[in-house]
Order: sequence, then structure tokens, then C-alpha cells
Amino acid sequence: AQKVTQAQTEISVVEKEDVTLDCVYETRDTTYYLFWYKQPPSGELVFLIRRNSFDEQNEISGRYSWNFQKSTSSFNFTITASQVVDSAVYFCALKNYGGSQGNLIFGKGTKLSVKP
Amino acid sequence: DTGVSQDPRHKITKRGQNVTFRCDPISEHNRLYWYRQTLGQGPEFLTYFQNEAQLEKSRLLSDRFSAERPKGSFSTLEIQRTEQGDSAMYLCASSLGPSYNEQFFGPGTRLTVL
Repeated sequence: AQKVTQAQTEISVVEKEDVTLDCVYETRDTTYYLFWYKQPPSGELVFLIRRNSFDEQNEISGRYSWNFQKSTSSFNFTITASQVVDSAVYFCALKNYGGSQGNLIFGKGTKLSVKP
Repeated sequence: DTGVSQDPRHKITKRGQNVTFRCDPISEHNRLYWYRQTLGQGPEFLTYFQNEAQLEKSRLLSDRFSAERPKGSFSTLEIQRTEQGDSAMYLCASSLGPSYNEQFFGPGTRLTVL
């Protein structure tokens, strides 16, 4: 089965707090790709990052960092020193290399609210 | 603006009517995707084009749904005999190159079926 689970439905933090969004995936493929997208209140999904299954190196981009661990099938996303503009729904998604060429499998998303 | 555009942004229709949505991908992108998103859920894949060829259709795409991408540019998604269960946000995305490259999404068309 191919599946993405984002167990946290909603998270609320106060500005400047660090927050981690969890993502757990299931796949039978050995080659796959993981993505994070941000969906602000305006509705348009914004691409944040793509990782492939062979690259477990963590990545940092400004206040954003991602921790990919194949051993636990997790691809977690941390926002450091959160800001009000980070308020959005965040989706984790999975794409297998073989099989479906079009299908991005999304989790249900985590709604992050950052309060001033 | 050189991103993915969709038209209309909102559509309200009565049950049983036909509706058509348009998507204009990023100009050099060869792949185009349609997804459906309902409240509190992530997007669900509907169909995918590579250039003008429709290569995949999800089982979510009933026979009331049809999509086209003539000349490999813009795409249309038509829903015939709409039902209240069709109410959702319909998202279009495009990408360039291999299928595992990131997809860029448009703002979506929100359909409300009364």
C-alpha cells in the first residue's frame, strides 16, 4: 500500500516558537520521492522541497529544515522561530518512481496557526 | 504572472448541469495534472497528460468526467450531469521533465453544486 500519514491535524504555536510537522509514509518501492507543499489561506499549493529515497541528508533552507529517516519512514518538517506568515496547511506527499507516472499521494495535511 | 492559471476561480451550478474548467500550465511544461480537493483532505489525483496524450485516469474519474489537452497546451476538465458530491476544489498542476519533478499548482476552481 502507498500512503502518507500526517497525524497532527492542527497545531497552534506562538510566534518565535519552533514547530515540527510530522510525516510518515508507506511504500513498497525502493525508489521514491517525498515532497512538502504549503497551502496558505489563498488556496494555492506552494512547493517547498523534494527529496529522493537515496538521499537521507537533512536539508536546511533559512528557517525551514527537513529530517528524512528511512528507518522510520518519516520525513519531518521543522520551522524555526515561526512567524505569523507561516500560518497555512502543510501537506506531505509521496511519488513512486515506478508505476503511476502522474500520481502524487498526499497526506491529509496539518493546519499550522502561528499567533502573534 | 507566469504560473499556472485556472478559470473560473469559482463556479456555482445546479445539480444536473454541465460545467467546464480551464487550466493554463506554465508554458514550457510538458506534463499537466488534475486533482480534486475536498475540505480537510489533501488533493486526490484525477488524471494526467504528457503533452496532448492523456496517460492516466484515476478511478475517481467517473464517466461523467472528461479531460482534454488539445495541442499539448491548455487543458479543460468537463463534468457532465453534476452531482452534489462533485462539490470540491479542482486543482491543476504542471511540471517539466521526468515524472518525479515537482508539480506547480494553480489557484484552483472551487465548484459548488446546489
